[in-house]
Amino acid sequence: AQSVTQLDSQVPVFEEAPVELRCNYSSSVSVYLFWYVQYPNQGLQLLLKYLSGSTLVKGINGFEAEFNKSQTSFHLRKPSVHISDTAEYFCAVNYQGAQKLVFGQGTRLTINP
Amino acid sequence: DAGVTQSPTHLIKTRGQQVTLRCSPKSGHDTVSWYQQALGQGPQFIFQYYEEEERQRGNFPDRFSGHQFPNYSSELNVNALLLGDSALYLCASSFFSSTDTQYFGPGTRLTVL
Repeated sequence: AQSVTQLDSQVPVFEEAPVELRCNYSSSVSVYLFWYVQYPNQGLQLLLKYLSGSTLVKGINGFEAEFNKSQTSFHLRKPSVHISDTAEYFCAVNYQGAQKLVFGQGTRLTINP
Repeated sequence: DAGVTQSPTHLIKTRGQQVTLRCSPKSGHDTVSWYQQALGQGPQFIFQYYEEEERQRGNFPDRFSGHQFPNYSSELNVNALLLGDSALYLCASSFFSSTDTQYFGPGTRLTVL
């Protein structure tokens, strides 16, 4: 079955500290990978995506993610977080040809001053 | 350039009633997908419309139906509402391509009492 697992439901960090949000997916076929952010009472905003090419992709707001095919992972990182990064983060996978996104359960990132 | 818009923002219904939610895609997009996001969960794919036809469907009962109009806008209809249908309903638009990014609207918050 196609599934996406976000290993941490909540991640608290201090402001200006680095953060990593983990995402693993189940698949033996080609995938396209996405990270979305959801601020309170809003829809989803695309942070970054991996379709092909370099396994390290950079997105908006200083975020980056690395695709690891052998470990079926797509972890999101930021070297220094800001209070404004407080939000829910979702990893999503498009299993090639499926035309739909399969989402993880989300990780709530909380930034402490 | 307007993004994806949805209406209404909030809706309160009682069990057994029917509801219609509306979505206008981002300018130029021809495909609309609908997702249900229960509280504390990641979005779940309901179905996708392209060329006024349902192209893919997730694991949702027939009570959930939709429509796409010639101008690419879309409606989601839910009949015989259950308490468990309470959720944020998200619309996403894209081009009809497995690699294309889906852009999300702000969502409609449905509460079933």
